[in-house]
This record gives sequence, structure tokens and C-alpha cells, in this order.
Amino acid sequence: EPEVTQTPSHQVTQMGQEVILRCVPISNHLYFYWYRQILGQKVEFLVSFYNNEISEKSEIFDDQFSVERPDGSNFTLKIRSTKLEDSAMYFCASSDRRTGNGYTFGSGTRLTVV
Amino acid sequence: DAKTTQPPSMDCAEGRAANLPCNHSTISGNEYVYWYRQIHSQGPQYIIHGLKNNETNEMASLIITEDRKSSTLILPHATLRDTAVYYCIVRGTGNQFYFGTGTSLTVIP
Repeated sequence: EPEVTQTPSHQVTQMGQEVILRCVPISNHLYFYWYRQILGQKVEFLVSFYNNEISEKSEIFDDQFSVERPDGSNFTLKIRSTKLEDSAMYFCASSDRRTGNGYTFGSGTRLTVV
Repeated sequence: DAKTTQPPSMDCAEGRAANLPCNHSTISGNEYVYWYRQIHSQGPQYIIHGLKNNETNEMASLIITEDRKSSTLILPHATLRDTAVYYCIVRGTGNQFYFGTGTSLTVIP
């Protein structure tokens, strides 16, 4: 079954450093998303991306965050200057359309900011 | 998107059916009911979705009441691997899923 692949599975970074989380969505999918889950809390939407631009973003997705699809297969989330409170699981997801059952999540990257 | 209400936790004996309820009394006509689950801290896993008809797939069945104000996810023969947090989410045409706190299902041997 097709999967959304995320790398690395765990990343430790120092506060203030830039970090890039990488995702390979399912190949025929057109919509891409990032979510995060702080330990013990809800899964929260960050951003959606379609046709090479952001289609929707949450209040969490401030200027320190950016997303990019640098080539035909990768989808990245960049955090410019990490803060302790950015420590969380980050999930990438992709879908082939806006509704239906094609919304698949990756297994996540655990980001620890020290 | 409409809000959902789920019990915080449930237990189910292994091999028995697990029936997970969800209330979504403010659901509107174009909103679908989705169920996802999350095992430990893994990524949410799609289970099933429906609009107004009952649905069944290889994982589960979804029963939606006629007025669409509530639904039940049924895992017909629960196994230990079904222990997870189950999220009932109502979603229209927007991009995002709003995850609540879900129901923590524990399957007991």
C-alpha cells in the first residue's frame, strides 16, 4: 500500500537553529499538509499546499515556518529559528483530492529542541 | 466544521465488537464523518468515512443515524492491536482535519 515517508524519524536540534523536515508524499497525490502534535496534546493543522502554493495555514504557522516542494517528489517544512516549544511530532500528509479517503499521514518526525 | 463529542475512554474484550460512539449534532449537509486512529505517537491512520449511508470496509463499519447527528464506529472483532485513540472528525470542503481528544480504546485480553 502506498505510504507517505518522513525523514528523519527523530531530530534533535539546538534552540535557534534551522531545521528542515522532509516528506515524500504518495506519488499521484496533489494536496500536501503538515500537522504537529505536542506531547500529550491534540494533533494540530499547520498548513496545506496545492499547486505549488499554500492554500491554507493556521495561526501556528507563523513567519518562522515555511514549506516547499523543491522537486517532483519531496515536500519540506522548514523552521527557521527553533524554539523549545517547537518540540513536537510533525506529521506530513497527502491526498489526491480534497475529500474522500485519500488523506494519508506519514509516521512522523519527532523534533526535540534543546 | 462541526464539532464532535466522544467518550474519553472505552474498554473492549479481545474478540468482541468495539462500538465507538460520536455525537455531531451541528453537522451540516455537505460535511462528511471521518474516523481516524492513532496508535501510540504514530501518524493518524484512516479508518473509514461516510456522508449519510452506512459504510463498511475491511477495517470497520460506520453507522450514521438518519438525522446524521451521531454515528458509531464498529470494529467487529477487536484485537490487541486495535488499542489506540480513535478520532471522529466532521469535515466539509476545507483543507484541514480538526482533531479532538478522541476516545482511547483499550482492548483487554
